[in-house]
Amino acid sequence: GAVVSQHPSWVICKSGTSVKIECRSLDFQATTMFWYRQFPKQSLMLMATSNEGSKATYEQGVEKDKFLINHASLTLSTLTVTSAHPEDSSFYICSAREMGARAKNIQYFGAGTRLSVL
Amino acid sequence: GEDVEQSLFLSVREGDSSVINCTYTDSSSTYLYWYKQEPGAGLQLLTYIFSNMDMKQDQRLTVLLNKKDKHLSLRIADTQTGDSAIYFCADQKGTALIFGKGTTLSVSS
Repeated sequence: GAVVSQHPSWVICKSGTSVKIECRSLDFQATTMFWYRQFPKQSLMLMATSNEGSKATYEQGVEKDKFLINHASLTLSTLTVTSAHPEDSSFYICSAREMGARAKNIQYFGAGTRLSVL
Repeated sequence: GEDVEQSLFLSVREGDSSVINCTYTDSSSTYLYWYKQEPGAGLQLLTYIFSNMDMKQDQRLTVLLNKKDKHLSLRIADTQTGDSAIYFCADQKGTALIFGKGTTLSVSS
């Protein structure tokens, strides 16, 4: 149980285009999902917290107009990197927290999406 | 300093025990976590410990928590080559998890 699917796993795009990444909880409902960014050999940096049916909460320094987050259902959150540039190239990872699991804050992670912007 | 700190590398021989150490700064943390990341993959939750516990054991994994010193460790008994990965310690900060930079465990046969 507790499987999180992230798609696509790898995407290459041209500078200036937009890329959408999907994060789905397959066997549980997630009122809260999280989006992280990971640079090579670095830790995960939280970008934003996505709550179902409401606006995402962005961490300081993360441009909300650049990284659009939508959490339209209890099993799906999407991250759209708008007008991507080479500096946006990174490994993006989502996680989902099961409903009712807020106290333990156990997050299940997707396999990540490697974004390469040419 | 950083909220969560870990040593960056650990090298062990197959069959030995591995001990990965972590220190954190937030004394109000309720839970602390250990995650494993294999190359090119997401994070897999290994185990977590409630802050009022000193120790938690789960098969080959033993977590020790010294709340006074804000020190957390993960011991892997009988380490196997399949245990080679990056191990992240994580602390809570509100609803978010704060991760250390990860310890790369290398297991040689």
